[in-house]
Amino acid sequence: EIVLTQSPGTLSLSPGDTATLSCRASQSVSSSYLAWYQQKPGQAPRLLIYGASSRATGIPDRFSGSGSGTDFTLTISRLEPQDFAVYYCQQYGSSPRSITFGPGTKVEIK
Amino acid sequence: EVQLLESGGGLVQPGGSLRLSCAASGFTFGSYAMSWVRQAPGKGLEWVSSISNTGASTSYADSVKGRFTISRDNSKNTLYVQMDSLTAADTAVYYCAKEPQQWLGPRDYFDYWGQGTLVTVSS
Repeated sequence: EIVLTQSPGTLSLSPGDTATLSCRASQSVSSSYLAWYQQKPGQAPRLLIYGASSRATGIPDRFSGSGSGTDFTLTISRLEPQDFAVYYCQQYGSSPRSITFGPGTKVEIK
Repeated sequence: EVQLLESGGGLVQPGGSLRLSCAASGFTFGSYAMSWVRQAPGKGLEWVSSISNTGASTSYADSVKGRFTISRDNSKNTLYVQMDSLTAADTAVYYCAKEPQQWLGPRDYFDYWGQGTLVTVSS
């Protein structure tokens, strides 16, 4: 099973800043099958990025994903108040079938 | 608009059973694989189970294998999970989630989520 590690655990930033979130896998993620989700308190997760770098429907271009192999990054440019939330990465597509999430990174207002 | 509405959560004693339902609308339910993902209070996300569009293929996390059974009724646009032999470790919000493809793998991410239903296992 592929284990995902996210860093930092908490990121304290101000509106307008750029957030850089890291997701590292214990082994190579095939075909960049990695997704990112945003979750706000009391709400369901929302898909942001799939395939490591493809934005989901309706996601602003302030959100961008990059990386391959074992190292992936979610970048949020020009942080807006509604961006302060917890972000999870998720790997998929491995064989045998295994779906795992990272522990999350909380982006909080500084 | 895609909508997923979970129901059936509640308080159950250890060793008990519960069946969750997820009513889907706004898309062709029978064309997509579906999953359950859970989140223990204050914790992260854990994938639980998936089912292909026809129900012919299913997949389970090791933590629930042999205790949970996923199923679907495409005529009713509804996803289910039967949960047996529940323990305190199963206490969580259970989310129903849609996958972007009809079969299981490789594109097993979740493009739409319901709001979740809380299952509490306690005596």
